[in-house]
Amino acid sequence: DADVTQTPRNRITKTGKRIMLECSQTKGHDRMYWYRQDPGLGLRLIYYSFDVKDINKGEISDGYSVSRQAQAKFSLSLESAIPNQTALYFCATSDGPGTPTQETQYFGPGTRLLVL
Amino acid sequence: AQTVTQSQPEMSVQEAETVTLSCTYDTSENNYYLFWYKQPPSRQMILVIRQEAYKQQNATENRFSVNFQKAAKSFSLKISDSQLGDTAMYFCAFLSTSGTYKYIFGTGTRLKVLA
Repeated sequence: DADVTQTPRNRITKTGKRIMLECSQTKGHDRMYWYRQDPGLGLRLIYYSFDVKDINKGEISDGYSVSRQAQAKFSLSLESAIPNQTALYFCATSDGPGTPTQETQYFGPGTRLLVL
Repeated sequence: AQTVTQSQPEMSVQEAETVTLSCTYDTSENNYYLFWYKQPPSRQMILVIRQEAYKQQNATENRFSVNFQKAAKSFSLKISDSQLGDTAMYFCAFLSTSGTYKYIFGTGTRLKVLA
């Protein structure tokens, strides 16, 4: 079974709709992240969370919100989707300082979102 | 602000040969991490190799090795004995944990291994 899962894998929605992307992990990591990937721009950090009570904005948080429901779950919401939010979205997890794999990110399979 | 530059949008290499992917970065910090990730057509992001800036020794992982030049702010990836399964996008990434957490990815290099 995959360590980091994302649902849905693909989604088509319309402008103005609210949409939620979900991420779950079984790696036991405290840290979770949301990225978007656009062609030619690499990955950009949207939000990150170092534990259930710690949520931080990343490079491009406008138009997005997140919820850390539990250590293993981190969801990303688009309150009112717009076409330029069409992208590939990745969830990732990592261990914290003092661990052998600290700061290495483990990614989910991605969610491809199309906003019409 | 930190930046990561991958100046080779596309590269190709013959199977069994060696190829080097370039990455340069800009930072004023002394402690940070550098990573290479692979993204095959399946779109899964997979860690290839990591380097802590305080370590002078270049990281190696089987056929993959890096040339880390801290003063030059260069972090290239060498793939030896290239295999068809190495065909993928490769992303260089920089992580700063000083102050605001920043995980910066380059724009990627598309590598094609030719039979």
